[in-house]
Amino acid sequence: GESVGLHLPTLSVQEGDNSIINCAYSNSASDYFIWYKQESGKGPQFIIDIRSNMDKRQGQRVTVLLNKTVKHLSLQIAATQPGDSAVYFCAEMGFSGTYKYIFGTGTRLKVLA
Amino acid sequence: EAGVTQSPTHLIKTRGQQATLRCSPISGHTSVYWYQQALGLGLQFLLWYDEGEERNRGNFPPRFSGRQFPNYSSELNVNALELEDSALYLCASSLRLAGGFYEQYFGPGTRLTVT
Repeated sequence: GESVGLHLPTLSVQEGDNSIINCAYSNSASDYFIWYKQESGKGPQFIIDIRSNMDKRQGQRVTVLLNKTVKHLSLQIAATQPGDSAVYFCAEMGFSGTYKYIFGTGTRLKVLA
Repeated sequence: EAGVTQSPTHLIKTRGQQATLRCSPISGHTSVYWYQQALGLGLQFLLWYDEGEERNRGNFPPRFSGRQFPNYSSELNVNALELEDSALYLCASSLRLAGGFYEQYFGPGTRLTVT
């Protein structure tokens, strides 16, 4: 299948542990943020989103935290499972004269059995 | 509900040729986005179409162009192909952008290889 992100930073986590993936975003005008999961050979899959008027949002086993002061976004995955192994990247969207869509390069998550 | 579909899955072209990639959005979505994902790199925004019009384009030369049809499907054309154009081209669709952003749903991509 496809190889996504051969030279990405890698986070290795033991199965059952919690994972935290970080992202520094670049545009202070961004007001919508998304975390995507991309498995080899597939397109990115939406995980969770957050708007700039919030600092935390929870989904099923996932939590996104937004710190606008330092332009930092994190994705927390509880009780990491082998199926969570993939490349994760954040996306920021905002309008400052023109619409901007900026995607991070991603972090590879490896779940160890 | 059918997701975003793209065709072809793989496309092999030689330098200087033209490539045409196709995308069908999720039913009800009027916005279509195109991205380039080179191996080992993040997604680079290419083009955004909504209601048949180009709304925004990324930092790519004019030989990257496209259009959106009345049924909201879209086509990406790359002229005068260069070796560096080899990448995975992803299409995404979303609800109409009205006063805010909405999550984009991605297709599986078209792998373009230029030799």
